[in-house]
Amino acid sequence: AQSVTQLDSHVSVSEGTPVLLRCNYSSSYSPSLFWYVQHPNKGLQLLLKYTSAATLVKGINGFEAEFKKSETSFHLTKPSAHMSDAAEYFCVVSDAYSGGYQKVTFGTGTKLQVIP
Amino acid sequence: ETGVTQSPTHLIKTRGQQVTLRCSSQSGHNTVSWYQQALGQGPQFIFQYYREEENGRGNFPPRFSGLQFPNYSSELNVNALELDDSALYLCASSLAGRDGEQYFGPGTRLTVT
Repeated sequence: AQSVTQLDSHVSVSEGTPVLLRCNYSSSYSPSLFWYVQHPNKGLQLLLKYTSAATLVKGINGFEAEFKKSETSFHLTKPSAHMSDAAEYFCVVSDAYSGGYQKVTFGTGTKLQVIP
Repeated sequence: ETGVTQSPTHLIKTRGQQVTLRCSSQSGHNTVSWYQQALGQGPQFIFQYYREEENGRGNFPPRFSGLQFPNYSSELNVNALELDDSALYLCASSLAGRDGEQYFGPGTRLTVT
């Protein structure tokens, strides 16, 4: 079965402090994992992806995530939050099936608030 | 490289009506997926099209249907609109056989009154 759990619906940090957004997943196969960001009234932008290469993945805007198979986790981090990071973040799991089908499940999202 | 585009941007319909939303894939992508994102929630997978055929579907009723054209653009059709269909509808394009990375359009905001 495929599922994604984002452990916090809201996270609030002060500008300049570290960010941690937590994600746990379940997959029957060897999944690809993604983090997307959605700013208000905007579409989804890919932050980073894990596709069975290096377990520590670096993305855009200083974000990175570590794939931990034993913990089935893919937490998103950033050393120092910026005001422009305030947005909603989605963890996504994807499994490839035959016939070109890619089964994708989104987490429920974590809203990040950055306090000046 | 052209990004994913969707039309219209906003749409208001009445309960019981039918609506068609359109999506143009990113250049070179052969797979299109549609998602429904209700206010305050994550995107829910509706269905996916590959080579003009539906090859995967989420938990949505048959009144949600789609098409993919030879140029890989796509339509989402919703019949007999209900108030709960009010949402942001997102289209995403990707390349089959890759890692599942999807490129999203800006979405169509549908309001059903």
